[in-house]
Amino acid sequence: QVQLQESGPGLVKPSETLSLTCAVSTDSINSYYWSWIRQPPGKGLEWIGFISYSGRTNYNPSLKSRVTISLDTSKSQFSLRLSSVTAADTAVYYCAREVVGATIFDYWGQGTLVTVSS
Amino acid sequence: EILLTQSPGTLSLSPGERATLSCRASQSFTSSHLAWYQQKPGQAPRLLIYGASSRATGIPDRFSGSGSGTDFTLTISRLEPEDFAVYYCQQYGSSPYTFGQGARVEVK
Repeated sequence: QVQLQESGPGLVKPSETLSLTCAVSTDSINSYYWSWIRQPPGKGLEWIGFISYSGRTNYNPSLKSRVTISLDTSKSQFSLRLSSVTAADTAVYYCAREVVGATIFDYWGQGTLVTVSS
Repeated sequence: EILLTQSPGTLSLSPGERATLSCRASQSFTSSHLAWYQQKPGQAPRLLIYGASSRATGIPDRFSGSGSGTDFTLTISRLEPEDFAVYYCQQYGSSPYTFGQGARVEVK
């Protein structure tokens, strides 16, 4: 059973950078693709991007200029950085594992709420 | 970007009834690359269906998916109390991978 756990600040100031980390419970980080997905309060889901086990990334064009996803296999974790945040970036951020060969998500973290406010 | 539109927005039904949820895409995408998720309050989504009609591991057979092209359907044959939740469709045929806006199944 794979477990994912998001961590990071729950409050970020406007114009600053949001940084989150997702710890993966097994060494399967070397075998799968890993995504970040967010959900504004009371709204739907938005895929942010993924990183492969080899470090290849694919970002949502709506966020591409501000997003970086990185991988640290030695720590079995991957990270999200989102720069120049505004109130519109307030959301629950989820990390998730992708099913092999498809960008669908079979294991999710519990989510972490990040609020952008001064 | 492929836009997914779910209908109805809210479905009010009683336990034991049949639920039918629709997901329509703004354009065709790689054949049957459509998934469905269930989300309950305060929880992460759970994968129910992938490939338009294949149930994910551990998903009861009262959940079924169908469709192709631009029109897809999730059917819950007989609602159990734990099925009242929000359901999302997601296409993974074309990046960026997009979700529908969600459809709520609530107790009548």
